[in-house]
Amino acid sequence: EAQVTQNPRYLITVTGKKLTVTCSQNMNHEYMSWYRQDPGLGLRQIYYSMNVEVTDKGDVPEGYKVSRKEKRNFPLILESPSPNQTSLYFCASSLRATSSYEQYFGPGTRLTVT
Amino acid sequence: AQTVTQSQPEMSVQEAETVTLSCTYDTSESDYYLFWYKQPPSRQMILVIRQEAYKQQNATENRFSVNFQKAAKSFSLKISDSQLGDAAMYFCAYRSAVSGGSNYKLTFGKGTLLTVNP
Repeated sequence: EAQVTQNPRYLITVTGKKLTVTCSQNMNHEYMSWYRQDPGLGLRQIYYSMNVEVTDKGDVPEGYKVSRKEKRNFPLILESPSPNQTSLYFCASSLRATSSYEQYFGPGTRLTVT
Repeated sequence: AQTVTQSQPEMSVQEAETVTLSCTYDTSESDYYLFWYKQPPSRQMILVIRQEAYKQQNATENRFSVNFQKAAKSFSLKISDSQLGDAAMYFCAYRSAVSGGSNYKLTFGKGTLLTVNP
């Protein structure tokens, strides 16, 4: 089944403890990105990747890192999480890095930083 | 930068009735894509309908249709014969057609929470 998977789905952690949220797609998609969703703000892009080893900042990149060593994986890294990073995170991917292709979303990761 | 505005934080509709969700956007571009996404309690983001700005014809997907007014920068979603399963948060989103990595993101509105009453 073609899909975008994220792990973990739920995570409660403490301030400063490094964590990684994984994202994987099995559709050979070139373009991948991370969004965060906060009440009253909609979804905002954190980082995106046009292809392997090509990543760039989105609208809200502060406090996050990403890597794209393989085409299928695009992990989101929080080196020192803070409470303002408590949010719902979505990974998304599309076949090509052009606007005409639909973006497929993962199921979301609910992160709480205390 | 483009912005997307959904002026209705919450809407309600009776089962089997019709409801329209509003969305306006601001852009200086002439070519772009507009989307409506549904987010049920499961939190999954589900694409409902998509409209290419260069197409004058309004998109339709079964009970879902849009009213795309390019000059007014308006993109409303009409849900006909509402069903209990339509209850969800609905997001309007914009995507530029201009080439370039930062242009491929989706810019979302804040969402409209739709309640369907039996």
